[in-house]
Amino acid sequence: GAVVSQHPSRVICKSGTSVKIECRSLDFQATTMFWYRQFPKQSLMLMATSNEGSKATYEQGVEKDKFLINHASLTLSTLTVTSAHPEDSSFYICSAGQGKSGELFFGEGSRLTVL
Amino acid sequence: AQSVTQLGSHVSVSEGALVLLRCNYSSSVPPYLFWYVQYPNQGLQLLLKYTTGATLVKGINGFEAEFKKSETSFHLTKPSAHMSDAAEYFCAVRDQAGTALIFGKGTTLSVSS
Repeated sequence: GAVVSQHPSRVICKSGTSVKIECRSLDFQATTMFWYRQFPKQSLMLMATSNEGSKATYEQGVEKDKFLINHASLTLSTLTVTSAHPEDSSFYICSAGQGKSGELFFGEGSRLTVL
Repeated sequence: AQSVTQLGSHVSVSEGALVLLRCNYSSSVPPYLFWYVQYPNQGLQLLLKYTTGATLVKGINGFEAEFKKSETSFHLTKPSAHMSDAAEYFCAVRDQAGTALIFGKGTTLSVSS
């Protein structure tokens, strides 16, 4: 199956700093990628839809100025958590689809811990 | 708007027993349906999916699910549980290619010896 890679898998940062998470589709082109957030022992909540070459579409309640999404190419989307605070600590997962199968391929996830 | 309801946040079975994890969906159009498994501190692994065609779908690790349109259900089953099946299971729906997956709240499966 198609491969989606996330980097870094784990990151620890100080409160007030910014952190960038990369999501790459390794063997296919993805015009659309999706970013999810997962709190411990909870489900995946859709944060935003990342569209190549245009602005991301954010879900209700997600601060677009805090969670900056850039989809500069057909194989790379980035999520930047700006001025991170401890409450931003979470597991962030990206996904991308290929073709008409309806299946989305998920990255391995990035665990952010803000001290 | 599409949504997914997973009945039972926690299911416990004995090793060798039948596994049944329930999922009901709401969608205004024929949906794409998925089951994923997640082990602690790991990403998601696709177990199986329904897009079109046969309503009984077989997946990996002996799991299968049946799409029942009349019941708007897509329950996951496995005839005989293994200890290694203990994990978090998520049902998800997508109303068409190009849109995001919407996940249920998840069901934790525990398997005892």
